[in-house]
Amino acid sequence: DAGVIQSPRHEVTEMGQEVTLRCKPISGHNSLFWYRQTMMRGLELLIYFNNNVPIDDSGMPEDRFSAKMPNASFSTLKIQPSEPRDSAVYFCASSLAGTGDTEAFFGQGTRLTVV
Amino acid sequence: AQKVTQAQTEISVVEKEDVTLDCVYETRDTTYYLFWYKQPPSGELVFLIRRNSFDEQNEISGRYSWNFQKSTSSFNFTITASQVVDSAVYFCALSEAINNAGNMLTFGGGTRLMVKP
Repeated sequence: DAGVIQSPRHEVTEMGQEVTLRCKPISGHNSLFWYRQTMMRGLELLIYFNNNVPIDDSGMPEDRFSAKMPNASFSTLKIQPSEPRDSAVYFCASSLAGTGDTEAFFGQGTRLTVV
Repeated sequence: AQKVTQAQTEISVVEKEDVTLDCVYETRDTTYYLFWYKQPPSGELVFLIRRNSFDEQNEISGRYSWNFQKSTSSFNFTITASQVVDSAVYFCALSEAINNAGNMLTFGGGTRLMVKP
């Protein structure tokens, strides 16, 4: 199994531009998560999908952020317009079930730099 | 609301020393899950262990061991005979089994472990 695949691995963009991060979860996993890692706030959950449906998006920082999961094998996290404070590492993770008794597997992350 | 505290932000040891990483958690749920993840310098997050709240049995896996104590709300991680390759940031995390919470993880701030040769 290839694991959770994220693209791009690195993204540098100018303030005000739209940024789209992509994630392919592990085949057969029905839960998908987007996390953000910064020095100031550590690792924080942005949004959680179960069976392609957003269950909890309370961690999405503001309306500039949106996430979609059109099918079981693909999800996107979009920032429009981007700001320098969005610079962070964004992780996608997937797990087999919607309960905590299975572990989440993380992708390698996308390092976003907004200048 | 749940919370995970890793009071040790950075630990430095010499190779072959034993080291314990502390984790204290807060939750109002009676059913919950605890995790440890490793983040090596390459940046990915690697799953190490999962424990549910009903299983306080300690676990050993090679040089790694975990001590779960509900009475003190702690889930500590010990590396025996540390090696340079153990150098990484280690995260403790908690998820609650309510309202279809799934694997929504609350992470601690992480402990950076540096093992010197």
